[in-house]
Amino acid sequence: QQQVKQSPQSLIVQKGGISIINCAYENTAFDYFPWYQQFPGKGPALLIAIRPDVSEKKEGRFTISFNKSAKQFSLHIMDSQPGDSATYFCAASIPSGTYKYIFGTGTRLKVLA
Amino acid sequence: NAGVTQTPKFRVLKTGQSMTLLCAQDMNHEYMYWYRQDPGMGLRLIHYSVGEGTTAKGEVPDGYNVSRLKKQNFLLGLESAAPSQTSVYFCASSYGGGGNQPQHFGDGTRLSIL
Repeated sequence: QQQVKQSPQSLIVQKGGISIINCAYENTAFDYFPWYQQFPGKGPALLIAIRPDVSEKKEGRFTISFNKSAKQFSLHIMDSQPGDSATYFCAASIPSGTYKYIFGTGTRLKVLA
Repeated sequence: NAGVTQTPKFRVLKTGQSMTLLCAQDMNHEYMYWYRQDPGMGLRLIHYSVGEGTTAKGEVPDGYNVSRLKKQNFLLGLESAAPSQTSVYFCASSYGGGGNQPQHFGDGTRLSIL
């Protein structure tokens, strides 16, 4: 029940296309859903995050869509660029006072020039 | 502003050796976390701390110990290294004090156990 399932494992998109990464969870107590971007040799960096009382959040070319009833959320990268090539992790925060995250297994995105 | 700094960046150990990984943050964050990252498994929480002098077990704590003697530092120790502990280790910190405080990560320590 504490898992966050992420798909696909890898994704190849043409420059200018839309990249879509999906995550699903079971624990309805999760209260914060961040997405992290990680480049090779670097640590994960916060990209965008959403709370469950919001159905969509957009920041530039990055959008999170949140479906509370389906317990799913997804990251959309519009007009994908080669510089977006990275590994993306979704996560969910456990509201236990410790603010621990449960991470998905990651999606390796490659955007072809 | 350095953020979260991890030392060393790389290390090779022999089975049975011990070592300590250091994490330092300059953001005055209360909460600190140690993760390990393995291919296809995402990031898994080893230990965490909700304040100076406190530590708690995460998802995969066996074989590791931690200490938080100073607010800005969080140490991860391997008492007797095993090949299964070959991984990339990440430290993170967050302000805490609210449910929606993002975690900030260091750039990792790449550890190989031979």
